[in-house]
Amino acid sequence: DTAVSQTPKYLVTQMGNDKSIKCEQNLGHDTMYWYKQDSKKFLKIMFSYNNKELIINETVPNRFSPKSPDKAHLNLHINSLELGDSAVYFCASSRLAGTTTDTQYFGPGTRLTVL
Amino acid sequence: TQLLEQSPQFLSIQEGENLTVYCNSSSVFSSLQWYRQEPGEGPVLLVTVVTGGEVKKLKRLTFQFGDARKDSSLHITAAQTGDTGLYLCAGPTRRALTFGSGTRLQVQP
Repeated sequence: DTAVSQTPKYLVTQMGNDKSIKCEQNLGHDTMYWYKQDSKKFLKIMFSYNNKELIINETVPNRFSPKSPDKAHLNLHINSLELGDSAVYFCASSRLAGTTTDTQYFGPGTRLTVL
Repeated sequence: TQLLEQSPQFLSIQEGENLTVYCNSSSVFSSLQWYRQEPGEGPVLLVTVVTGGEVKKLKRLTFQFGDARKDSSLHITAAQTGDTGLYLCAGPTRRALTFGSGTRLQVQP
């Protein structure tokens, strides 16, 4: 069974479109995250939710809106896509938020290409 | 902002060689983690080091946390082609992880 799953795996779209990426975890974790990995492989936190509540919102444009319908799901909606949004987006989960030794489990990533 | 810098950025070696990659910061971290990411997949945790000076071994991989908890190293003995991947160090900041810039390792047969 896949612990953290994301759909779609690949997403190719035109500039200006709106798109969503879905994430689900079956580990029973309370905390979920969205990370962005750029072309240089730098991985940066975007959002974090703990029990459906937003706890971290880094300096991400308002065009990005996360939604957590329940603690097993964290979706990412992106409005008015721009060329610079092209990246690989990773969803992750962990048992708790704020513990220094907790393991984060990552999904396989969604490669977004904006044309 | 707590930053983690990794070196080298790229490393290409022959199977059987030894190597060390480094993770450095000007800030103190309560712990550091090492992840490995293979192409097309998400990072997977290798180890967490918590105590300054701590050394942990995972088969051919040896991880060390600096005494001052500002740096860490990963040493691989007798590298194998299966060790190929992107190695990322990460430290906890404000209830999420800050990742290092990564070391891309290529082990040639």
